[in-house]
Amino acid sequence: DSGVTQTPKHLITATGQRVTLRCSPRSGDLSVYWYQQSLDQGLQFLIQYYNGEERAKGNILERFSAQQFPDLHSELNLSSLELGDSALYFCASSTSGSYEQFFGPGTRLTVL
Amino acid sequence: GESVGLHLPTLSVQEGDNSIINCAYSNSASDYFIWYKQESGKGPQFIIDIRSNMDKRQGQRVTVLLNKTVKHLSLQIAATQPGDSAVYFCAENQNTGNQFYFGTGTSLTVIP
Repeated sequence: DSGVTQTPKHLITATGQRVTLRCSPRSGDLSVYWYQQSLDQGLQFLIQYYNGEERAKGNILERFSAQQFPDLHSELNLSSLELGDSALYFCASSTSGSYEQFFGPGTRLTVL
Repeated sequence: GESVGLHLPTLSVQEGDNSIINCAYSNSASDYFIWYKQESGKGPQFIIDIRSNMDKRQGQRVTVLLNKTVKHLSLQIAATQPGDSAVYFCAENQNTGNQFYFGTGTSLTVIP
């Protein structure tokens, strides 16, 4: 158990819908990262937040957005969903000054 | 019908043998590398890291080798065990803060 929690574990929805994925980092970790893992793209970095502020942006679509709240939990919002958005979405956290990222168990999103 | 997906390199080894998993990274400016292990249904888990000023680093049963000349990383697992069966990813930090780029992964199967 990495100490990072993600909810829900599974999510099934339809095209055009909007969903919110939630992540709670390890206690004391200020950085949160979101990744997408799909069959044809591997593990792709989406975005990083540090203590509530956006720190780095990767291959995140405009239909996707994220935020980190004062209690350090983070949410990834995916809107206007397409079939190709079906993937595993992982959250990871790290402590200040460390590169090591601890990954949560992931949310499996299925868009029908 | 034909399935479409990321074709992971695969490696099958006998229990007790040593395993070597290779990774080519993309950016000569990358200064930090991590190997992750991902078991089925779980998030990636940190195994070992290495900085670009090192050629070799050893952990418990694992060794990482870095060849900067050819931009190549390898992970050696000694006395491979069935519990080592997983997908292994290398990740490189391209000197851009905490943003990591992941390789496509190698699927390791240990034959009892």
